Amino acid sequence: QVQLQESGPGLVKPSGTLSLTCDVSAGSITNSQWWTWVRQPPGKGLEWIGEIYHRGHTNYNPSLKSRITMSVDMSKDHFSLRLTSVTAADTAVYYCATHRDGYNFFDSWGQGALVTVSS
Amino acid sequence: QSALTQPASVSGSPGQSITISCTGTGNDVGAYNLVSWYQQYPGKAPKLMIYEVYKRPSGVSIRFSGTKSGNTASLTISGLQAEDEAHYYCCSYAGLTTPYVFGIGTTVTVL
Repeated sequence: QVQLQESGPGLVKPSGTLSLTCDVSAGSITNSQWWTWVRQPPGKGLEWIGEIYHRGHTNYNPSLKSRITMSVDMSKDHFSLRLTSVTAADTAVYYCATHRDGYNFFDSWGQGALVTVSS
Repeated sequence: QSALTQPASVSGSPGQSITISCTGTGNDVGAYNLVSWYQQYPGKAPKLMIYEVYKRPSGVSIRFSGTKSGNTASLTISGLQAEDEAHYYCCSYAGLTTPYVFGIGTTVTVL
């Protein structure tokens, strides 16, 4: 089972851009898997943000689609999330996760990275 | 796509059985047998407990079981133990536009 680890700045200013990376180990980014981002505001539930396949295909949450870009770096075995024009409502723990192509459940998760939007 | 509806909290005594419901619509829970359940301890990542409505991943206790009827899926924990005290989230595949929707979460308390 792949191992996932998020990294990135823990503090982002309002109107700025949130950028996170998820390193994939014990497996390859080119596996037949969808690489996913899920977030959880403090004290609240989980929200699916979007996913990317290593060939570049993406699916985004329509509520965030205008502000999201996901990418894959096969040379580094990691994938990334960029969220623009952030506000305090984007403060959350951001998890990377994965599911196998053709399956629809998340069987590996990163430990999560708290990102706070504040000036 | 709205979040799936779950009770905010469910409690039970050790050894009892509890059931958590997850209600969606004919576009998500009712349309696909692709409901999964996740257990989350505070400050930790979610852990897959049930997938495709009733299937258990290797290593998950047989005390956890899942079912679905119409637009509502359910997770039952039998023989409740102290270690089951956690938050539980359901998730359903919901089609190509918004592939995944989570439930609002349920806090399980062992009395």
